Amino acid sequence: GEDVEQSLFLSVREGDSSVINCTYTDSSSTYLYWYKQEPGAGLQLLTYIFSNMDMKQDQRLTVLLNKKDKHLSLRIADTQTGDSAIYFCARVGTGGFKTIFGAGTRLFVKA
Amino acid sequence: GAVVSQHPSWVICKSGTSVKIECRSLDFQATTMFWYRQFPKQSLMLMATSNEGSKATYEQGVEKDKFLINHASLTLSTLTVTSAHPEDSSFYICSARGSGTGSYEQYFGPGTRLTVT
Repeated sequence: GEDVEQSLFLSVREGDSSVINCTYTDSSSTYLYWYKQEPGAGLQLLTYIFSNMDMKQDQRLTVLLNKKDKHLSLRIADTQTGDSAIYFCARVGTGGFKTIFGAGTRLFVKA
Repeated sequence: GAVVSQHPSWVICKSGTSVKIECRSLDFQATTMFWYRQFPKQSLMLMATSNEGSKATYEQGVEKDKFLINHASLTLSTLTVTSAHPEDSSFYICSARGSGTGSYEQYFGPGTRLTVT
């Protein structure tokens, strides 16, 4: 199958770390992405990881990939109120063409 | 990163009329453009994929005669919603992918909110 699944909601306190999880079913995925969508806006590419990597860090963002379990996570350190948004996990589908999106995780940051 | 623009950002039209939405890649050549539809609090639903100079490939269940897609140049794709009805009201998002290195990166426009009355 080509499903990408994520939990729908996460609430954290400002300053804490947020961890958003994602699982996928197709082991042939080559690239996996995290996108951020603020209300009424398009999607902003936050980061991506190639399937031969285990981890990628970019400032406050850390992506972990467990290829064996087909599990991807996004950790946001020192979460700020401006991080409140919907985060979409996505992967490039079979054939390397279509991008398959999860349903999105709504992150709510409490001040 | 690369920039993709959409125009208009929002539009209200009467039932039965047609609406055209433009998607432009501003600083790169988009060999492939994608059109998505997003319902409130839901994920993106891919409607169609278009490559410059060729006909769009529509996803199952998407009416190609209703949602006309034209990708006439490497920087412009248009989506025309023909004979719009209230059920076509939605948030339409385009994205673009270039060629060469980083071609797996997909850049999204800000979206167009269509309301059909």
